[in-house]
Amino acid sequence: TQLLEQSPQFLSIQEGENLTVYCNSSSVFSSLQWYRQEPGEGPVLLVTVVTGGEVKKLKRLTFQFGDARKDSSLHITAAQPGDTGLYLCAGVNTNAGKSTFGDGTTLTVKP
Amino acid sequence: EAGVAQSPRYKIIEKRQSVAFWCNPISGHATLYWYQQILGQGPKLLIQFQNNGVVDDSQLPKDRFSAERLKGVDSTLKIQPAKLEDSAVYLCASSFRDRGFAGELFFGEGSRLTVL
Repeated sequence: TQLLEQSPQFLSIQEGENLTVYCNSSSVFSSLQWYRQEPGEGPVLLVTVVTGGEVKKLKRLTFQFGDARKDSSLHITAAQPGDTGLYLCAGVNTNAGKSTFGDGTTLTVKP
Repeated sequence: EAGVAQSPRYKIIEKRQSVAFWCNPISGHATLYWYQQILGQGPKLLIQFQNNGVVDDSQLPKDRFSAERLKGVDSTLKIQPAKLEDSAVYLCASSFRDRGFAGELFFGEGSRLTVL
């Protein structure tokens, strides 16, 4: 069974601060996805990283895929209250056509 | 483009009762997934359909859970009889990719089940 560990489980910061959350696995995935989930809604895809060492930027969010394709990080610069939510990473198994999710990091950004 | 539709949004039942959830995926999406998300955890795959065939149901508790996608479009997930530990949000997702690449998953808003 492929497992994904996310850390920290909870993070509460003030508006304007920077933060990094992590996603680690003992298994290699074809690619890795990051989703954001708000209360009462389903997860929404933020980014997919495919190549080891890849870095993708989405406005104030920077995503990095480890060289060995087993780990990833999400860095948010100058966090805003609108960034509040549950951040989930998902390892993609291309052959099976399915994604395995971690338990997420719950981020709260206080104004 | 309409998103993934799920109903009901909320359901409260007594243990040992039955419940059914319905999902209508995005038009044209061949792959449909049912996930269970317990409070404080990430989504856990219950079953994956490709058109009207089951691709993976290895994590589905088949003694009490069943799911079908008869015409390759909408799907129903049933629990009978329900247990306290089935309290969770049941998320339906769809993807336009054929089997072989998960691609982006489009989720519905989920059906929140409380078993008393």
